Amino acid sequence: AQSVTQPDIHITVSEGASLELRCNYSYGATPYLFWYVQSPGQGLQLLLKYFSGDTLVQGIKGFEAEFKRSQSSFNLRKPSVHWSDAAEYFCAVGDLRDDKIIFGKGTRLHILP
Amino acid sequence: DGGITQSPKYLFRKEGQNVTLSCEQNLNHDAMYWYRQDPGQGLRLIYYSQIVNDFQKGDIAEGYSVSREKKESFPLTVTSAQKNPTAFYLCASSAGLQQPQHFGDGTRLSIL
Repeated sequence: AQSVTQPDIHITVSEGASLELRCNYSYGATPYLFWYVQSPGQGLQLLLKYFSGDTLVQGIKGFEAEFKRSQSSFNLRKPSVHWSDAAEYFCAVGDLRDDKIIFGKGTRLHILP
Repeated sequence: DGGITQSPKYLFRKEGQNVTLSCEQNLNHDAMYWYRQDPGQGLRLIYYSQIVNDFQKGDIAEGYSVSREKKESFPLTVTSAQKNPTAFYLCASSAGLQQPQHFGDGTRLSIL
């Protein structure tokens, strides 16, 4: 069965530190991948997407993600976090043969001042 | 500005009552979706629609119904058959099924 795993439910980092949020997927064919961010009480905002081509994808707000087919991973990174990055982050995966996109259960990011 | 509007932001349901959540988009998107979000559960797909007058069940459709009479609108009815309706409901739209989804700001439904 298709699945998306975000192994970390919560992550805490200090402001200015680097960040990596993990995402692993299980899909039969070439996936297309997304990262979304959600602030409390709001909807989800797209950070970046990967369909094909360059495996290092740049997104908004200084985020990037790298698609590693051999590891079935699509980890999100940011070199220096800001207090405003505190939110919940969702990885999502789709397949061209399927109608639906599957979302991970999310990672909540906490920022220490 | 184009976007998705969900209303109301907060909704309360009495036992045995049906309630309808509104979702309107002006992005000219063909596909629309309804998700349910519970703490620690991520997003679970309730229904989705690719074109007007057509929709498909998602993973947790029981106790819910939808209609798609206009391209811009995709209302969700939470029926009395849904025994645990308390959740945050998110509507989304996309240009196609494999395209990025744009989300509304959600409706929080609670039981009186």
